[in-house]
Amino acid sequence: GQQVMQIPQYQHVQEGEDFTTYCNSSTTLSNIQWYKQRPGGHPVFLIQLVKSGEVKKQKRLTFQFGEAKKNSSLHITATQTTDVGTYFCAGQDFGNEKLTFGTGTRLTIIP
Amino acid sequence: NAGVTQTPKFQVLKTGQSMTLQCAQDMNHNSMYWYRQDPGMGLRLIYYSASEGTTDKGEVPNGYNVSRLNKREFSLRLESAAPSQTSVYFCASSEAHRGEQFFGPGTRLTVL
Repeated sequence: GQQVMQIPQYQHVQEGEDFTTYCNSSTTLSNIQWYKQRPGGHPVFLIQLVKSGEVKKQKRLTFQFGEAKKNSSLHITATQTTDVGTYFCAGQDFGNEKLTFGTGTRLTIIP
Repeated sequence: NAGVTQTPKFQVLKTGQSMTLQCAQDMNHNSMYWYRQDPGMGLRLIYYSASEGTTDKGEVPNGYNVSRLNKREFSLRLESAAPSQTSVYFCASSEAHRGEQFFGPGTRLTVL
């Protein structure tokens, strides 16, 4: 079955530094979604990427979908304490209603 | 709008006991999902329902049953709880099967 790998598992950064998490799928994806989960909270949708090579920005967050639609990344510029949490990618196969979540990257910020 | 609600928030069971986790959404979504979240393993799909009256197995269905009672409600039942089912359970819904998913606050279940 489809597997979605995400690295790194943990990332500790100084406030103001940049952060990147990477997501790789074993199969070509129809689309990829990104979610953020604050400590003790539930996952919250951030964005969906559908097109090959797509790049989307949300303020300090930049999302990319690879040309082959098998990998994706999330980059945060100049991290802030509000960015703390676990970031998950979730891939969806063609013709499949199920999302497969990556294992997540837990971001902690050192003030 | 409350979004997605789940009850209970916390539950402790003894091995072999049964229980039902309740989930309801007020967004008129067609698709609903049950996930479990374990440390270091992300979210794994247990069951999902693409529309009222249909249910399908996800990645880890063993030991669970579901009921899509109506368009709003999707329940998850543990018939005979085992310690391996200790986890945080999230219900989610989406308007279409390719759209963003909205998650409930979760149920933290411990099986002793």
